[in-house]
Amino acid sequence: QLRLQESGPGLVKTSETLSLTCNVSGGPISSPSYYWGWIRQPPGKGLEWIGSIYYSGTTYYNPSLKSRVTISVDTSKNQFSLRVNSVTAADTALFYCARRLAVAGGWYFDVWGRGTLVTVSS
Amino acid sequence: DTVMTQSPAILSVSPGERATLSCRASQNVGSDLAWYQQQRGQAPRLLIYGASTRATGIPARFSGSGSGAEFTLTISSLQSEDFAVYYCQQYNNWPPTTFGQGTRLEIK
Repeated sequence: QLRLQESGPGLVKTSETLSLTCNVSGGPISSPSYYWGWIRQPPGKGLEWIGSIYYSGTTYYNPSLKSRVTISVDTSKNQFSLRVNSVTAADTALFYCARRLAVAGGWYFDVWGRGTLVTVSS
Repeated sequence: DTVMTQSPAILSVSPGERATLSCRASQNVGSDLAWYQQQRGQAPRLLIYGASTRATGIPARFSGSGSGAEFTLTISSLQSEDFAVYYCQQYNNWPPTTFGQGTRLEIK
């Protein structure tokens, strides 16, 4: 059974870089059938897609965050990572990693991690 | 971006009754619409994709309908575990894929 597990610091200082990793177990991240993504949810609010990556390194980003976001993949460790630069309090959120199909009409997320809360504070 | 608007924000329904949740897109998304359920303190769970296809393991009391810009999630007979927040997501016009703001389904 595929499992995704987010990890990283729970507290980041304002203007610094947020870094998270999603470890994938129970299946290869290098499967050609899937993209791997990050989604965030500010406390008490809705869901916002951050970006997605293919095992080859191809990425798609939310234009609203693209200037500050980098997603990378490490197939040898079966994990992918998120970096968000120059964070502010508005970046405080529960961050989820998730899987979606790599086909047209497949951009829904069928497997999710449990999420990790990141608080941005000075 | 395609804006997804869900209504109502809060829906109060008694157990055993039917719940109908709506999702409207700001532009045509075809059938590229998913529904998720989020229990308190948990990650979202995929319920429906392709507007009307139930995901693996989802009970038949959940059904989705609609196309274009108007969509509905119906829960035919509410069970206690169904009281949660529900989100719709369009994935036709991307990037970005976008979510609605959610409907909270509460016990009446």
